[in-house]
Amino acid sequence: GESVGLHLPTLSVQEGDNSIINCAYSNSASDYFIWYKQESGKGPQFIIDIRSNMDKRQGQRVTVLLNKTVKHLSLQIAATQPGDSAVYFCALKINNAGNMLTFGGGTRLMVKP
Amino acid sequence: DSGVTQTPKHLITATGQRVTLRCSPRSGDLSVYWYQQSLDQGLQFLIQYYNGEERAKGNILERFSAQQFPDLHSELNLSSLELGDSALYFCASSPGQGADNEQFFGPGTRLTVL
Repeated sequence: GESVGLHLPTLSVQEGDNSIINCAYSNSASDYFIWYKQESGKGPQFIIDIRSNMDKRQGQRVTVLLNKTVKHLSLQIAATQPGDSAVYFCALKINNAGNMLTFGGGTRLMVKP
Repeated sequence: DSGVTQTPKHLITATGQRVTLRCSPRSGDLSVYWYQQSLDQGLQFLIQYYNGEERAKGNILERFSAQQFPDLHSELNLSSLELGDSALYFCASSPGQGADNEQFFGPGTRLTVL
């Protein structure tokens, strides 16, 4: 079956530094890759997505990189702030399987003031 | 606030019992999704409805069922509850059912089975 995994379960960074959260996936038949942020006591919140025909997409303070050759996805957060502290999940949508999300295991980002 | 509401926020019940979780999607969204978040399995897709009809099924147990009503709200029914069913249950909604539709998640219902 599909598996989506994360390299680091916990990432601790200093406020103001850049953060990089990584994700590996196994199914190459994936058209959409998405990053979600989950704060304590809340549901996942969409951050940014990227389609399989792209290798980079930028948002406000966030950049997602997709390397289909090695099946790797990363989320870069610039100038990390205390409000970025949360668990981050990568997720993907498999081609022709509708809009269901397959989530990775999550990485906890802790921002030190 | 995503615009998706879920009730109740917390639910504590005993093994063998049956519970119903409720979800109201964002205004105008036709598609509803249910996910389970547990410590050992992470976030897993359970089932999707679009405009009242079942569209996709994931790792949903036979003891679990769901439906979407004409007013588009959805209910997830969990029966013969076991200790392992303790988890957070999230509902999400999207305007359509295609893969280009962003899903908006509700705050979840925390189910504790004692």
